[in-house]
Amino acid sequence: AQKVTQAQTEISVVEKEDVTLDCVYETRDTTYYLFWYKQPPSGELVFLIRRNSFDEHNEISGRYSWNFQKSTSSFNFTITASQVVDSAVYFCALSRNTGKLIFGQGTTLQVKP
Amino acid sequence: DAGVIQSPRHEVTEMGQEVTLRCKPISGHNSLFWYRQTMMRGLELLIYFNNNVPIDDSGMPEDRFSAKMPNASFSTLKIQPSEPRDSAVYFCASTDRLREGTGELFFGEGSRLTVL
Repeated sequence: AQKVTQAQTEISVVEKEDVTLDCVYETRDTTYYLFWYKQPPSGELVFLIRRNSFDEHNEISGRYSWNFQKSTSSFNFTITASQVVDSAVYFCALSRNTGKLIFGQGTTLQVKP
Repeated sequence: DAGVIQSPRHEVTEMGQEVTLRCKPISGHNSLFWYRQTMMRGLELLIYFNNNVPIDDSGMPEDRFSAKMPNASFSTLKIQPSEPRDSAVYFCASTDRLREGTGELFFGEGSRLTVL
C-alpha cells in the first residue's frame, strides 16, 4: 500500500529563519511521483513541485529547495529565509502514474514577523 | 486563463437535503478529479474522469454520493441524502494529457459543505 507521512503537524518560526518540512513515503512501485502542494489560508491547493522516482537530483527554486532521497524514502522541503507569506499548510503527496494522489496529513507552517 | 471553477463556495444545508456541487475544469483539460478534505481523513480522492468517462470511483463513500461529467466543461458531485458526516471541503481538480500521467493537478478553490 502507498502511504505518506508528515510527522510535523505544526511548525512555528520567526521570519528569516530557515525551515525544513519532512516527508516520508511508502510504496512498492518502482515508478512513482512525489509532490508538494501549498494550501494558503484562502484554501486552494497550489502545486509547488513534482519529482519522479528516477530523478533524485535536488532542486532549488528561489527560496525553496527539495531533497529527494530514495534510500530513506524521504522528500523533504526547505524554505530558506522564511517570510510571513509562506504561512500555509503544506502537503506532500505520492502517485503512481495517475492523478490519484495519496496525501500526507499536512504540516501547518506559521511564520511570525 | 481561468482556473478550475467550483460552485458554490460555501453551502450550509440540513441533514437529509440533496446537495449538488459543480465544477468547470480548465479548458482543454481532459481529466477531472473530485477530492474531499476533512480533519479526520485529510485529503482523499473520491472519483476521477478521463475524457468524461469515470475511471476510478473507489473512493466514493457510499451510494449517497454520485458524480457525473456530461461534457468536457462541466461536472457535478451530488449527495443525496446528505448527513452531518459529509461536512467537508470538496475540491475539484483537472489536468491535461501532458501531465495526466504524472499526477500534477490544478485545483479549484473548493466548496465548503456544512450539513447540520
